[in-house]
Amino acid sequence: DGGITQSPKYLFRKEGQNVTLSCEQNLNHDAMYWYRQDPGQGLRLIYYSQIVNDFQKGDIAEGYSVSREKKESFPLTVTSAQKNPTAFYLCASSISHGTGGKYQPQHFGDGTRLSIL
Amino acid sequence: GDSVTQMEGPVTLSEEAFLTINCTYTATGYPSLFWYVQYPGEGLQLLLKATKADDKGSNKGFEATYRKETTSFHLEKGSVQVSDSAVYFCALSNIGGGTSYGKLTFGQGTILTVHP
Repeated sequence: DGGITQSPKYLFRKEGQNVTLSCEQNLNHDAMYWYRQDPGQGLRLIYYSQIVNDFQKGDIAEGYSVSREKKESFPLTVTSAQKNPTAFYLCASSISHGTGGKYQPQHFGDGTRLSIL
Repeated sequence: GDSVTQMEGPVTLSEEAFLTINCTYTATGYPSLFWYVQYPGEGLQLLLKATKADDKGSNKGFEATYRKETTSFHLEKGSVQVSDSAVYFCALSNIGGGTSYGKLTFGQGTILTVHP
């Protein structure tokens, strides 16, 4: 079955440490996204990528970095510059960008819960 | 910019009760509208969608109609089950603001709890 796999499910970060969250999809989707979810709030976009080797900042990119070296993979690094990293992180993908992009739903992984030690 | 407003939660109902979760939006142009559902500890699943005015999306007994005149996309179900307990997100997808892709804007989510 096609889908989006996020790992690990739970992750702990020490002070001053960078951590990387994995996101892999086998849906052959062009576009991939990272969201942050905090209790009682909707999802906020961190970064998105419409094509391999290209990505754009979302609404809350500070303290995060990404890469898109393969179509299937879009890892997110939470750097030590992100002072409040405790949250639920969701990766998503969608079929295409461009003028038809707004009609395509995004498909989500099961998330990674990041906490501070 | 685009925005989505959902009714305040949490919503608590008895099994077989009627459900309405209100959703209104502000957007330029002609966005697509979605309802997503999130079960505890999981990611979001697409529940239904509508891409133009007067479209009705439906799935698993849930329905929502795209009302452009009232900028609304209210979620309804005639008879809820305990298994419907989850968080429900209304979202819109639009082109613009310097992007060429369908950027999703989410409401804050509504927690639904259904008791036997």
